[in-house]
Formats: sequence, C-alpha cells, structure tokens
Amino acid sequence: DAGITQSPRHKVTETGTPVTLRCHQTENHRYMYWYRQDPGHGLRLIHYSYGVKDTDKGEVSDGYSVSRSKTEDFLLTLESATSSQTSVYFCAIGPGGSSYEQYFGPGTRLTVT
Amino acid sequence: KQEVTQIPAALSVPEGENLVLNCSFTDSAIYNLQWFRQDPGKGLTSLLLIQSSQREQTSGRLNASLDKSSGRSTLYIAASQPGDSATYLCAVSRGGADGLTFGKGTHLIIQP
Repeated sequence: DAGITQSPRHKVTETGTPVTLRCHQTENHRYMYWYRQDPGHGLRLIHYSYGVKDTDKGEVSDGYSVSRSKTEDFLLTLESATSSQTSVYFCAIGPGGSSYEQYFGPGTRLTVT
Repeated sequence: KQEVTQIPAALSVPEGENLVLNCSFTDSAIYNLQWFRQDPGKGLTSLLLIQSSQREQTSGRLNASLDKSSGRSTLYIAASQPGDSATYLCAVSRGGADGLTFGKGTHLIIQP
C-alpha cells in the first residue's frame, strides 16, 4: 500500500469554526490531491498540488484553501465550516516514479453540525 | 466538461458468474483510465490502469478494456466470489497534474 495517512480520521465540528485536515505521504510524490465524496455526487476534486507551494483549484474549491510547505504534507482548510461541507474527504498522491496511478488515503469523515 | 457514467448502478449476481461493468466518458481526450474498488467505509484501492495508447490490462481475474474513440471501458470479472462484493469506480485523467474525474460507481453484490 502507498504510504498515505490522513488525520484526523473522524471529526465533528460546529458551523462557523475553522477546520484543518492533514495528508501525509512517505512516497515523495510530486502530485497530491484532495477530493470529497458525497452520496449522489461521487468523488469530486477540491484542490491539487504539483509541488511545494504550487497549488490549484479543482471542481469544488469554494470554501476551501490548501497549503503545501513540504513535499510530504498537504493541508486542507475549511476557513468557516458549513453543513454543506459534511462529507468524507480523501487525499490522493501520484502519478510518480514508474507508475501513472493515483493512490488514495483512508479518508476523513467530517461532520459539521 | 468531462462526464463519466457507470452502468449499472447496482448489480447482484450469484457466486461463480462472469460479469461486466461498464464505464463511458464524454471527452475522448484522456491520458489514462483507472478502475478502483471501494469497500464500505474504506478508501479506494486501485485495481487497474489503462493508458490511452493501450487496449486492455489484466490482473488476475480482472480484465479492463478501453475503446478511447467511442469513450468506453469495461471491467470484466471472471468467476466472481463473495469477496468481490464492493463498489467499483471508474475514473479518467487528462494527464499531468490534472486530477481524476470519477463515475458514481457500480455497487456489486456477489451472493454466496
């Protein structure tokens, strides 16, 4: 399995509070991604990074920001959480090395009350 | 905008059957297509990746094909087993740093 961890794995927070999710990889991949998964919508891309301090928006980036100060860490921040951001968040890495595949972390289940 | 559709949305078959899952995409300008498996409450496990220049890939009892010009891919599962029960997701990429565009998945149940 690709070395990807996400923290926290579960979080419950209140509307209006800031939340930061962390993705950590041990594979030294250049590319990292944040997706959210919702019933009826499937997986959708939030933001991605193509190197340290290099990030760009995905399909559903409103209300989210990201940062990448080190190759191994990619942070997703909800500046002021809303109930519509209740979701399961997945981090992914790749392609890299000899593989064109993307590999996914275990996910973070976030509930905004 | 790329759209990915998976048919059927759900499928239940007896153990031992061979089965085919379908994936279609609207923009044929893809770099590769990847099939994933997702178990309930878990992350995604990559099963097979087909590059746009390839026609098929095989791994064990799984075979994935790609017809880029018609915007279609199929995942063939031979001799299905109860342990194959999961949601199967298809995703396409334009390459480079671009993320994946996913279908909504096929929920597969293999009856013992």
